[in-house]
Amino acid sequence: AQSVSQHNHHVILSEAASLELGCNYSYGGTVNLFWYVQYPGQHLQLLLKYFSGDPLVKGIKGFEAEFIKSKFSFNLRKPSVQWSDTAEYFCAVSAGGATNKLIFGTGTLLAVQP
Amino acid sequence: GAGVSQTPSNKVTEKGKYVELRCDPISGHTALYWYRQSLGQGPEFLIYFQGTGAADDSGLPNDRFFAVRPEGSVSTLKIQRTERGDSAVYLCASSLTSGKGDTQYFGPGTRLTVL
Repeated sequence: AQSVSQHNHHVILSEAASLELGCNYSYGGTVNLFWYVQYPGQHLQLLLKYFSGDPLVKGIKGFEAEFIKSKFSFNLRKPSVQWSDTAEYFCAVSAGGATNKLIFGTGTLLAVQP
Repeated sequence: GAGVSQTPSNKVTEKGKYVELRCDPISGHTALYWYRQSLGQGPEFLIYFQGTGAADDSGLPNDRFFAVRPEGSVSTLKIQRTERGDSAVYLCASSLTSGKGDTQYFGPGTRLTVL
């Protein structure tokens, strides 16, 4: 069965620090990969996604992620975080097919201190 | 345009009762998904509709859970004989199609509490 692992459950950073959140998935076939973010009091929204082409994906608000197929990883990065990046971040995988259902990791809670 | 909406935003019920949760997808989106998010976990897939039909219900935990989408738009998730373990946030998402890489847009969720 497909699964997604997010190794960092809770991350605390100061403003301007660099961010990298780990995400590994288990599935041997072609996958689509997503990062969703949930800001306090808001619903899940898409940060970025990968489904083909350049493995380095740019998203909204200065986020990017790199798909490394050999490592089954899709880590999220941002060179300089802001207080407004405080949120919960979820990595998700979809194996496509007829359903395109998402398999989510357990999430990483990021707190950015001003 | 309007996003995915879900009603009610909160629902408190007693063990053994029946509940219905409603989802209004983005207009024109043919694919609709239900997920459940328990505390400290990521969302877990429950069921997927393409149009009016449930194309994949493999995530429904047992036969107390049922969902419909009779006209291919609004969907209702129905839970019979609720149990305390059903307490969670129930999320609905829609996408234009179920094609590869199609973005799923999530609603705000319904927080269900079973006492």
